[in-house]
Amino acid sequence: DAKTTQPNSMESNEEEPVHLPCNHSTISGTDYIHWYRQLPSQGPEYVIHGLTSNVNNRMASLAIAEDRKSSTLILHRATLRDAAVYYCILIPQRGGGSEKLVFGKGTKLTVNP
Amino acid sequence: DGGITQSPKYLFRKEGQNVTLSCEQNLNHDAMYWYRQDPGQGLRLIYYSQIVNDFQKGDIAEGYSVSREKKESFPLTVTSAQKNPTAFYLCASSIRPGVGGEQYFGPGTRLTVT
Repeated sequence: DAKTTQPNSMESNEEEPVHLPCNHSTISGTDYIHWYRQLPSQGPEYVIHGLTSNVNNRMASLAIAEDRKSSTLILHRATLRDAAVYYCILIPQRGGGSEKLVFGKGTKLTVNP
Repeated sequence: DGGITQSPKYLFRKEGQNVTLSCEQNLNHDAMYWYRQDPGQGLRLIYYSQIVNDFQKGDIAEGYSVSREKKESFPLTVTSAQKNPTAFYLCASSIRPGVGGEQYFGPGTRLTVT
């Protein structure tokens, strides 16, 4: 499975934008870039995913580098509820197979009031 | 509301007993998954099922068993053969496998075996 590299922790202030980076230099052409987040003692929550183009949804934006070797999750205005561990994951598109999520350590985001 | 439910939230068992964890979804998803998470670690895949009456082993299937008799349900049994069963167990589903789509998770069951 292709690996991703994320900073262990980041800190932000409430209502400020947050940019969470992820490096995936060994990404293959059919790997989707997914982001999930997990609050303590809860199941992971899907945030966003993309393949090549930048993506926006109600939760966040995903900016994908032109060479696809890195991506950035953007929270436009951080709230206290955004404090969580954020995981960047590569999922290959393949037919008929398992799409297991391989979580690394992720980035622990702290949001200060 | 559509979603995934897992019960119970906390479960305590004595060593040597089998225990079954419940997972139900009303999202009409084809694929379902069981993961295990240990403190400070990522998720590890135990079993997955792409369709009713079919399932495959994941990375750490030893000591576990599953069934998929209904689309909505994917129970996991932790048997006495599982050497280190204390963990946080997470069930997930996705609309169908092979499309790189998102997985939706339940709230998890924290199993403690003493």
